[in-house]
Amino acid sequence: GQNIDQPTEMTATEGAIVQINCTYQTSGFNGLFWYQQHAGEAPTFLSYNVLDGLEEKGRFSSFLSRSKGYSYLLLKELQMKDSASYLCAVKDSNYQLIWGAGTKLIIKP
Amino acid sequence: ETGVTQTPRHLVMGMTNKKSLKCEQHLGHNAMYWYKQSAKKPLELMFVYSLEERVENNSVPSRFSPECPNSSHLFLHLHTLQPEDSALYLCASSPGLGEPAEQYFGPGTRLTVT
Repeated sequence: GQNIDQPTEMTATEGAIVQINCTYQTSGFNGLFWYQQHAGEAPTFLSYNVLDGLEEKGRFSSFLSRSKGYSYLLLKELQMKDSASYLCAVKDSNYQLIWGAGTKLIIKP
Repeated sequence: ETGVTQTPRHLVMGMTNKKSLKCEQHLGHNAMYWYKQSAKKPLELMFVYSLEERVENNSVPSRFSPECPNSSHLFLHLHTLQPEDSALYLCASSPGLGEPAEQYFGPGTRLTVT
């Protein structure tokens, strides 16, 4: 079967750095996405990786290793507004998105 | 604002009611999706439409009936639901199916079945 694993919850301090990991086992691979979802709101797109390596976008970076079936989302200079759930999703060989259950990130002052 | 709107935002219905959820996208996309999001579970893909044709139905019970009258509008008709159907129902769109582009989500309808 297809599976995406990510931690259920993480806590970090304002101003610090946090890394949210995602491992996947899917039928084929056509890219990995990270989304942010604030409570009661729509998921919003953060990043997309299809080749191995690091993609940087401001305070957020996403890394991919296809051989290991592994990705992480790195958030720097954490702000209170970064408190949200972070969803990892992989497009399989049929271009369907397979979703993880999300990681709830709690930022403390 | 993501360019995808959903109404209503909240809905409470009894098990014998019939109601409909509406989704509209203003992005010129060709693919639209219905997802169910339950607490602490992955997003569950329910239906996929491409150019108004249904291309995916992930073993969804018949009490959920989708309709896509044109590429900008998507409906989910609800009939004789169960309490376990209570969840957040999200609509999304993307430029096309076989593309790497991200999906754009609406704010969702919070459904409670009593």
